[in-house]
Amino acid sequence: EIVLTQSPGTLSLSPGERATLSCRASQSTHSNTLAWYQQKPGQAPRLLIYDTSRRAAGIPDRFSASGSGTDFTLTISRLEPEDFAVYYCQQFDSARYTFGQGTKLEIK
Amino acid sequence: QVLLLQSGPEVKKPGSSVKVSCQPSTDTLASFAINWVRQAPGQGLEWMGYINPVFGSPNYAPRFQGRLTITTDKSTNTAYMELSSLRPEDTAVFFCARDSGDYPGSYVMDVWGQGTTVTVS
Repeated sequence: EIVLTQSPGTLSLSPGERATLSCRASQSTHSNTLAWYQQKPGQAPRLLIYDTSRRAAGIPDRFSASGSGTDFTLTISRLEPEDFAVYYCQQFDSARYTFGQGTKLEIK
Repeated sequence: QVLLLQSGPEVKKPGSSVKVSCQPSTDTLASFAINWVRQAPGQGLEWMGYINPVFGSPNYAPRFQGRLTITTDKSTNTAYMELSSLRPEDTAVFFCARDSGDYPGSYVMDVWGQGTTVTVS
């Protein structure tokens, strides 16, 4: 089973700043299996990024992502107040999904 | 945009079972797979399993094998997640989520239900 490790666990930034979130896989993963989600308290997760770097429908272009193999990154170029939430990476391998443990993005 | 509508909160005794339903507002379940994801209080997301109506048989995460049953009912266009032998540590919010959906060929969950809180006490 591929394990996803996200860092940092918590990221404290101010609105307008740039956020860089990391997701590292224990084994190489295919590009079309890596996705990112945003979750706010009391809500279901929302798909942000699929296929490693493609924004899902309706996601603002301040969200971008990249990576390959075992190292993946989600970047938020200029933080808006509504971006403070928990972010999860996800991958699919051997007919199973796994999620990272999440990065909490909080207001500094 | 399809919505996934889940059943209401449940309170269960240890050792019992819970069955949570998930029904799309439009579309038929025959056209996409459904995942189930668990989230314990204050914790992250944990994939439990999925069912692809096209292929029929469900696929479960190893840690839920033997306790989890995922089914679909074509007559009511509803998916179900049943977890048995409940323990207090199973207390969580359970989400259903559409597999791939508007992103064919990609491995994502693009539409999520609102979540169902299950309390085991």
